[in-house]
Amino acid sequence: NAGVMQNPRHLVRRRGQEARLRCSPMKGHSHVYWYRQLPEEGLKFMVYLQKENIIDESGMPKERFSAEFPKEGPSILRIQQVVRGDSAAYFCASSSGGETQYFGPGTRLLVL
Amino acid sequence: DAKTTQPPSMDCAEGRAANLPCNHSTISGNEYVYWYRQIHSQGPQYIIHGLKNNETNEMASLIITEDRKSSTLILPHATLRDTAVYYCIAPPRSSGSARQLTFGSGTQLTVLP
Repeated sequence: NAGVMQNPRHLVRRRGQEARLRCSPMKGHSHVYWYRQLPEEGLKFMVYLQKENIIDESGMPKERFSAEFPKEGPSILRIQQVVRGDSAAYFCASSSGGETQYFGPGTRLLVL
Repeated sequence: DAKTTQPPSMDCAEGRAANLPCNHSTISGNEYVYWYRQIHSQGPQYIIHGLKNNETNEMASLIITEDRKSSTLILPHATLRDTAVYYCIAPPRSSGSARQLTFGSGTQLTVLP
């Protein structure tokens, strides 16, 4: 039973470019969560989605960041016009609706 | 989330039991205690959770005090691969809405050879 999949595992972007991070939840899971871990800091919640719905985006930066979880396909975290401060590890987690969240391996974003 | 307090670091000898404490004195009656760990910037790994009874799985045991104000995660035979940051979390119980996990600083467990 495959776990949470994230790709790419590493992403390099220049300032001003767009970054797209993908997350495929565990089989049977329809709840997805995104977290960000800045260098030398703890994980911070960003957004919680169910299929086609954003449930809680209280941790999302107000500008440039968006997330979606379409009916078909993976969840996407999109960062427009990246800046150096966006360099971080982005983790996705999924659940079946219960509280236990299972995390993916993360995407390391480096903005040059 | 209920606020949780953990020691910043602990050492444990390989093969011995590692006992990681967590205080959660403000926990509500229906809030679970969850434990995760993060091995060197990998994705957090779920370990175990419990409400008020002690729990055991293939990874660890969780001992929750009767008043539920504290708990202890026990790794019965620590190995070098158990070196990680361990997080104790008590997420809020709310139906349908935010279920975000709040990761504090955790405890850096170092297993020594």
